[in-house]
This record gives sequence, C-alpha cells and structure tokens, in this order.
Amino acid sequence: DIVMTQSPLSLPVTPGEPASISCKSSQSLLRDSGYNYLDWYLQKPGQSPQLLIHLGSDRTSGVPGRFSGSGSGTDFTLKISRVEAEDVGVYYCMQTLQSPFTFGRGTRLEI
Amino acid sequence: QVQLVESGGGVVQPGRSLRLSCAASGFTFSLYDIHWVRQAPGKGLEWVALMSFDGSERHFADSVRGRFTVSRDNSKNTVYLVMDNLRVEDTAVYYCAKDALPAAGRSGFDYWGQGTLVTVSS
Repeated sequence: DIVMTQSPLSLPVTPGEPASISCKSSQSLLRDSGYNYLDWYLQKPGQSPQLLIHLGSDRTSGVPGRFSGSGSGTDFTLKISRVEAEDVGVYYCMQTLQSPFTFGRGTRLEI
Repeated sequence: QVQLVESGGGVVQPGRSLRLSCAASGFTFSLYDIHWVRQAPGKGLEWVALMSFDGSERHFADSVRGRFTVSRDNSKNTVYLVMDNLRVEDTAVYYCAKDALPAAGRSGFDYWGQGTLVTVSS
C-alpha cells in the first residue's frame, strides 16, 4: 500500500500570513498521462471534507485562489498565500493512483 | 444540485451486520464511481471502498476486505455498503463520496454526504 506522510501535523498561523503543508508518498503518484494522482481536502470543524485540489494542482471550482497545489512524483505541497480565519480545520492529502487509496494523517491548521 | 445522502447507520453488536445506503441526485449517477470513506471518533479519514460507475470494479481497504461488500443500483441512484462481522474498530462516521471525473476518473472526491454514524458495541 502507498503510505502518505504529511507534515507538520499541527500548524499555528496568523491571519494574513502564508502557510504550507507537505505531503510525501512512498511511491510516485505520476502516471504516464502526466497527471499526479494526489488530492487535497479540508475538513472544517463539524463538516464533511471538501475537495480543494485534485490531480496535484487543479483547484476545484469555487475554491479560493489563495489555495494552490504543487509538486510531482512523491513530494507535494499545499500552499495558502494568505490565511483567513475560515481556513481553520484539518487538511488531508490523499492518493488515488492505486487501490487501496490512502490518506495522510492530516494537518490541523489553527489560528 | 448534487446531493449524496447516507442512511442506515446505528448501534450494532460485534459480529452482526449492517447495510448502509447512499442515495444520489443532481448528476448522471451511472457515469461516476462512488466511494465510501470513514472517520473514527476523533481520528482521521480512512478510505473504505470503491464501487465503479459501471459495476465492473469493487475495491476495498485491507481492514475491511472479506467483511464488507459494495453494490449499486443505477435505476435507484443508490450505492450500498454491506458490512458483515462488524468489529468495535469499525465504529465511525461513514461518508459516501462522488468521484470528480466520470468513467473511473479516480481524480478526487468532489461531493460528500453528511455521513452516517455506525457504532459497534456490546
């Protein structure tokens, strides 16, 4: 199974400041198509998870432009250019390259 | 608008069975894979199962393989998760989620239900 390792597990931030979360996979998530099968989710308190980024860097419709995904192969990063109070929650990366699909342990972003 | 509604959760004794349903609306159901993801109390997300759009593929997490089965009825826009031989460690909120791209896109889950709580306890 592919192991997903996120860091940090906790991320205190100040509104208006940038934030960055790392996600590393135990094997490459890059397919011959050129796409990386890596997604980012945010689970706000008391809510279902929401998809922020899929295929490594494609921002989902409705997701603010301050969120961006980058990386390829085994190393990926989610960046928030300027954190807002509504960004609080737990961020997860997930690979969908092969079954069983696997999530990282999550990164709790706190203001 | 796209909606996914889970039902069927509840309290069940270890070793017993339970069937969860995921009723979908607002999109062409027969074109999309549906996944089940669970979250134990206070824990992270765990992918559980995949039911492919055309019924040709079923995949399971190692922790549930052999005990859980998944099926779909495209005439009812519903996916089912049948959980047999339940264990205490299966206690979790179970979410169904829709794949973001059609025809086995396997590209992220863009819509999620609100979840249904399964509690396995004697």
